[in-house]
Amino acid sequence: NAGVMQNPRHLVRRRGQEARLRCSPMKGHSHVYWYRQLPEEGLKFMVYLQKENIIDESGMPKERFSAEFPKEGPSILRIQQVVRGDSAAYFCASSPAGMGPGYGYTFGSGTRLTVV
Amino acid sequence: GENVEQHPSTLSVQEGDSAVIKCTYSDSASNYFPWYKQELGKGPQLIIDIRSNVGEKKDQRIAVTLNKTAKHFSLHITETQPEDSAVYFCAVVKAAGNKLTFGGGTRVLVKP
Repeated sequence: NAGVMQNPRHLVRRRGQEARLRCSPMKGHSHVYWYRQLPEEGLKFMVYLQKENIIDESGMPKERFSAEFPKEGPSILRIQQVVRGDSAAYFCASSPAGMGPGYGYTFGSGTRLTVV
Repeated sequence: GENVEQHPSTLSVQEGDSAVIKCTYSDSASNYFPWYKQELGKGPQLIIDIRSNVGEKKDQRIAVTLNKTAKHFSLHITETQPEDSAVYFCAVVKAAGNKLTFGGGTRVLVKP
């Protein structure tokens, strides 16, 4: 049973380009969460999604960032017109339905975005 | 919103000694307190957790204590080994919430 799969592991983008980060949850998990980790800092919540629904996007920057979790396929975190401040590690976590908040979280290995 | 403070930011211990990391939180509605270990280039891995109706939990060399009145909880690692070297994060979750709020992390170095 594969864990949470994130790709790519490393992504380099020039300022102004778009970055697409993918996350495939664990088998049987229907809840996906995205977190951002700046260098030497803790993880900060960005968005919580269920299939075809954004449940909580209170941590997402209002501009340039969007997320989706379609009925089929992985969850996508999209960053348009990247800037140097977007350089960070982006982690996805998944959990099964029916568990209390925070329980059953499994994190992926992250995508390290570098904007040059 | 919730605020989680974690101390110390770095901790160096001799192999075999104990390590203690402390976290304080601000929201009394928080009721779930997990600890994560993050190794270089990897995602956080849950190592132990505690719920608000429990004061202490132990799993082999790792233990967590919770003081809900004072709003702080601690991670204790006994008989440390070099493979315990990593960054450790505390986190909190509110009963009606759906996200983890993390502390700033503690970089632990176990010297052989």
